[in-house]
Amino acid sequence: GAGVSQSPSNKVTEKGKDVELRCDPISGHTALYWYRQSLGQGLEFLIYFQGNSAPDKSGLPSDRFSAERTGGSVSTLTIQRTQQEDSAVYLCASSLDMGLVGNEQFFGPGTRLTVL
Amino acid sequence: AQSVAQPEDQVNVAEGNPLTVKCTYSVSGNPYLFWYVQYPNRGLQFLLKYITGDNLVKGSYGFEAEFNKSQTSFHLKKPSALVSDSALYFCAVRRDYKLSFGAGTTVTVRA
Repeated sequence: GAGVSQSPSNKVTEKGKDVELRCDPISGHTALYWYRQSLGQGLEFLIYFQGNSAPDKSGLPSDRFSAERTGGSVSTLTIQRTQQEDSAVYLCASSLDMGLVGNEQFFGPGTRLTVL
Repeated sequence: AQSVAQPEDQVNVAEGNPLTVKCTYSVSGNPYLFWYVQYPNRGLQFLLKYITGDNLVKGSYGFEAEFNKSQTSFHLKKPSALVSDSALYFCAVRRDYKLSFGAGTTVTVRA
Protein backbone atom coordinates (compact mmCIF):
# COMPACT_ATOMS: atom_id res chain seq x y z
CA GLY A 1 0.00 0.00 0.00
CA ALA A 2 0.98 3.63 -0.29
CA GLY A 3 3.23 5.02 2.37
CA VAL A 4 3.67 8.56 3.62
CA SER A 5 4.43 10.91 0.76
CA GLN A 6 6.01 14.35 0.90
CA SER A 7 6.46 17.10 -1.62
CA PRO A 8 8.60 18.61 -2.88
CA SER A 9 11.51 16.26 -2.39
CA ASN A 10 13.93 19.17 -2.64
CA LYS A 11 13.38 22.88 -2.18
CA VAL A 12 15.94 25.62 -2.65
CA THR A 13 14.87 29.09 -1.60
CA GLU A 14 16.36 32.46 -0.85
CA LYS A 15 16.64 33.85 2.64
CA GLY A 16 13.52 35.74 3.59
CA LYS A 17 11.14 33.83 1.34
CA ASP A 18 8.23 31.71 2.60
CA VAL A 19 8.04 27.98 1.87
CA GLU A 20 5.33 25.35 2.15
CA LEU A 21 6.04 21.67 2.63
CA ARG A 22 3.34 19.08 2.09
CA CYS A 23 2.69 15.72 3.70
CA ASP A 24 0.19 13.03 2.71
CA PRO A 25 -0.11 10.48 5.53
CA ILE A 26 -1.05 6.85 5.21
CA SER A 27 -4.79 6.54 4.67
CA GLY A 28 -6.61 5.91 7.93
CA HIS A 29 -3.81 7.13 10.18
CA THR A 30 -5.20 9.61 12.67
CA ALA A 31 -1.89 10.92 13.97
CA LEU A 32 0.58 13.00 11.99
CA TYR A 33 3.98 14.32 13.04
CA TRP A 34 6.60 16.65 11.66
CA TYR A 35 10.27 16.27 12.52
CA ARG A 36 13.39 18.09 11.39
CA GLN A 37 16.72 16.45 10.71
CA SER A 38 19.80 18.64 10.63
CA LEU A 39 23.51 18.08 11.09
CA GLY A 40 23.81 20.12 14.21
CA GLN A 41 20.60 19.19 15.98
CA GLY A 42 19.91 15.62 14.88
CA LEU A 43 16.27 14.59 14.70
CA GLU A 44 13.90 17.02 16.42
CA PHE A 45 10.18 16.85 16.97
CA LEU A 46 8.27 19.83 15.60
CA ILE A 47 4.51 19.30 15.82
CA TYR A 48 1.91 16.56 16.35
CA PHE A 49 -1.67 16.31 15.14
CA GLN A 50 -4.12 13.77 16.53
CA GLY A 51 -7.58 13.66 15.03
CA ASN A 52 -9.55 16.80 15.80
CA SER A 53 -7.60 17.62 18.96
CA ALA A 54 -5.55 20.77 19.27
CA PRO A 55 -2.05 20.09 17.89
CA ASP A 56 1.01 19.80 20.09
CA LYS A 57 3.18 22.63 18.81
CA SER A 58 5.79 22.38 21.55
CA GLY A 59 8.64 21.59 19.16
CA LEU A 60 8.24 24.48 16.74
CA PRO A 61 11.48 26.52 16.99
CA SER A 62 9.98 29.94 16.36
CA ASP A 63 6.77 31.73 15.40
CA ARG A 64 7.95 31.68 11.80
CA PHE A 65 6.95 28.02 11.74
CA SER A 66 3.34 26.91 11.50
CA ALA A 67 1.47 23.84 10.36
CA GLU A 68 -2.04 22.86 9.59
CA ARG A 69 -3.86 19.66 8.83
CA THR A 70 -6.94 19.89 6.67
CA GLY A 71 -9.72 17.36 6.87
CA GLY A 72 -7.72 15.15 9.17
CA SER A 73 -5.45 14.12 6.33
CA VAL A 74 -3.00 16.26 4.37
CA SER A 75 -0.71 18.54 6.33
CA THR A 76 1.26 21.61 5.32
CA LEU A 77 4.27 22.94 7.20
CA THR A 78 4.90 26.61 6.47
CA ILE A 79 8.10 28.46 7.21
CA GLN A 80 7.91 32.23 6.86
CA ARG A 81 10.87 34.50 6.23
CA THR A 82 13.25 31.57 5.93
CA GLN A 83 16.70 31.78 7.48
CA GLN A 84 19.82 29.81 6.63
CA GLU A 85 19.54 27.87 9.89
CA ASP A 86 16.22 26.49 8.63
CA SER A 87 18.13 24.38 6.10
CA ALA A 88 17.42 20.77 7.00
CA VAL A 89 15.47 17.70 5.97
CA TYR A 90 11.86 17.92 7.11
CA LEU A 91 10.32 14.54 7.80
CA CYS A 92 6.65 13.74 8.14
CA ALA A 93 5.32 10.63 9.87
CA SER A 94 1.93 9.13 10.57
CA SER A 95 0.59 6.43 12.85
CA LEU A 96 -2.54 4.71 14.00
CA ASP A 97 -2.54 6.60 17.24
CA MET A 98 -5.81 5.74 18.82
CA GLY A 99 -4.51 6.38 22.31
CA LEU A 100 -1.97 3.58 22.10
CA VAL A 101 1.56 4.86 22.64
CA GLY A 102 3.07 1.67 21.29
CA ASN A 103 2.05 2.30 17.70
CA GLU A 104 5.04 2.87 15.48
CA GLN A 105 5.35 5.91 13.28
CA PHE A 106 5.82 5.53 9.53
CA PHE A 107 8.01 8.15 7.92
CA GLY A 108 7.95 9.78 4.53
CA PRO A 109 11.09 10.33 2.41
CA GLY A 110 11.45 13.91 3.59
CA THR A 111 11.84 17.31 1.99
CA ARG A 112 15.36 18.68 1.81
CA LEU A 113 15.19 22.44 2.31
CA THR A 114 18.15 24.61 1.40
CA VAL A 115 18.04 28.30 2.24
CA LEU A 116 20.60 30.34 0.36
CA ALA B 1 13.04 13.54 30.95
CA GLN B 2 12.77 10.66 28.52
CA SER B 3 15.92 10.24 26.44
CA VAL B 4 18.14 7.74 24.70
CA ALA B 5 21.86 7.76 24.00
CA GLN B 6 23.84 6.04 21.30
CA PRO B 7 27.42 5.96 22.53
CA GLU B 8 29.01 5.09 19.18
CA ASP B 9 28.99 7.42 16.20
CA GLN B 10 30.24 4.66 13.91
CA VAL B 11 30.33 0.89 13.85
CA ASN B 12 32.38 -1.02 11.31
CA VAL B 13 32.05 -4.76 10.81
CA ALA B 14 32.95 -7.32 8.18
CA GLU B 15 30.18 -9.01 6.24
CA GLY B 16 29.09 -12.20 7.96
CA ASN B 17 30.16 -11.03 11.40
CA PRO B 18 27.75 -10.15 14.21
CA LEU B 19 26.54 -6.56 14.32
CA THR B 20 25.64 -4.70 17.51
CA VAL B 21 24.45 -1.10 17.73
CA LYS B 22 24.23 0.20 21.27
CA CYS B 23 21.49 2.25 22.89
CA THR B 24 20.90 3.20 26.50
CA TYR B 25 17.83 4.90 27.83
CA SER B 26 16.78 7.16 30.65
CA VAL B 27 13.06 7.22 31.29
CA SER B 28 10.62 7.47 34.12
CA GLY B 29 8.04 4.74 34.09
CA ASN B 30 7.77 2.08 31.42
CA PRO B 31 9.91 2.75 28.36
CA TYR B 32 8.54 2.47 24.86
CA LEU B 33 11.65 1.96 22.72
CA PHE B 34 12.10 1.84 18.97
CA TRP B 35 14.79 1.27 16.37
CA TYR B 36 14.71 2.92 12.97
CA VAL B 37 17.12 2.71 10.01
CA GLN B 38 17.81 5.39 7.43
CA TYR B 39 19.36 4.64 4.06
CA PRO B 40 20.96 7.48 2.06
CA ASN B 41 18.42 10.04 0.85
CA ARG B 42 15.57 8.03 2.30
CA GLY B 43 13.22 8.49 5.22
CA LEU B 44 13.34 6.44 8.39
CA GLN B 45 12.20 2.84 8.26
CA PHE B 46 10.82 1.12 11.33
CA LEU B 47 12.80 -1.96 12.45
CA LEU B 48 11.35 -3.03 15.79
CA LYS B 49 9.93 -1.88 19.10
CA TYR B 50 9.77 -2.83 22.76
CA ILE B 51 6.55 -2.04 24.58
CA THR B 52 6.18 -4.82 27.12
CA GLY B 53 6.63 -8.56 27.43
CA ASP B 54 9.51 -10.62 26.09
CA ASN B 55 12.85 -8.86 26.48
CA LEU B 56 14.09 -10.18 23.12
CA VAL B 57 12.31 -8.42 20.30
CA LYS B 58 12.57 -9.58 16.71
CA GLY B 59 12.13 -7.19 13.84
CA SER B 60 12.59 -6.63 10.14
CA TYR B 61 15.53 -7.74 7.99
CA GLY B 62 16.80 -10.23 10.58
CA PHE B 63 17.39 -7.65 13.29
CA GLU B 64 16.59 -8.17 16.94
CA ALA B 65 17.04 -6.15 20.10
CA GLU B 66 17.35 -7.05 23.73
CA PHE B 67 15.70 -4.95 26.39
CA ASN B 68 17.76 -4.98 29.58
CA LYS B 69 16.11 -3.17 32.46
CA SER B 70 19.00 -3.50 34.91
CA GLN B 71 21.45 -1.99 32.42
CA THR B 72 18.85 0.38 30.92
CA SER B 73 19.90 -0.74 27.47
CA PHE B 74 18.18 -1.67 24.23
CA HIS B 75 20.96 -2.82 21.90
CA LEU B 76 20.21 -3.71 18.30
CA LYS B 77 21.76 -6.92 16.99
CA LYS B 78 22.08 -8.96 13.86
CA PRO B 79 23.86 -12.33 13.92
CA SER B 80 25.36 -12.01 10.43
CA ALA B 81 25.72 -8.58 8.88
CA LEU B 82 25.26 -7.86 5.17
CA VAL B 83 26.84 -5.11 3.09
CA SER B 84 23.29 -3.88 2.47
CA ASP B 85 22.90 -3.23 6.22
CA SER B 86 25.20 -0.23 5.84
CA ALA B 87 23.05 2.71 6.93
CA LEU B 88 22.31 5.16 9.73
CA TYR B 89 20.55 3.65 12.74
CA PHE B 90 18.48 5.53 15.29
CA CYS B 91 17.26 4.45 18.69
CA ALA B 92 14.22 6.33 19.98
CA VAL B 93 12.01 6.55 23.03
CA ARG B 94 8.41 7.58 22.86
CA ARG B 95 7.18 10.23 25.27
CA ASP B 96 3.87 12.02 25.06
CA TYR B 97 3.22 10.48 21.62
CA LYS B 98 6.38 11.97 20.08
CA LEU B 99 9.70 10.26 19.50
CA SER B 100 12.92 11.42 21.06
CA PHE B 101 15.84 10.13 19.02
CA GLY B 102 19.43 9.34 19.76
CA ALA B 103 22.15 10.98 17.69
CA GLY B 104 22.38 8.01 15.37
CA THR B 105 25.05 5.40 14.61
CA THR B 106 26.51 4.96 11.15
CA VAL B 107 27.02 1.30 10.36
CA THR B 108 29.45 0.27 7.66
CA VAL B 109 29.62 -3.36 6.66
CA ARG B 110 32.63 -4.16 4.49
CA ALA B 111 32.66 -7.00 2.00
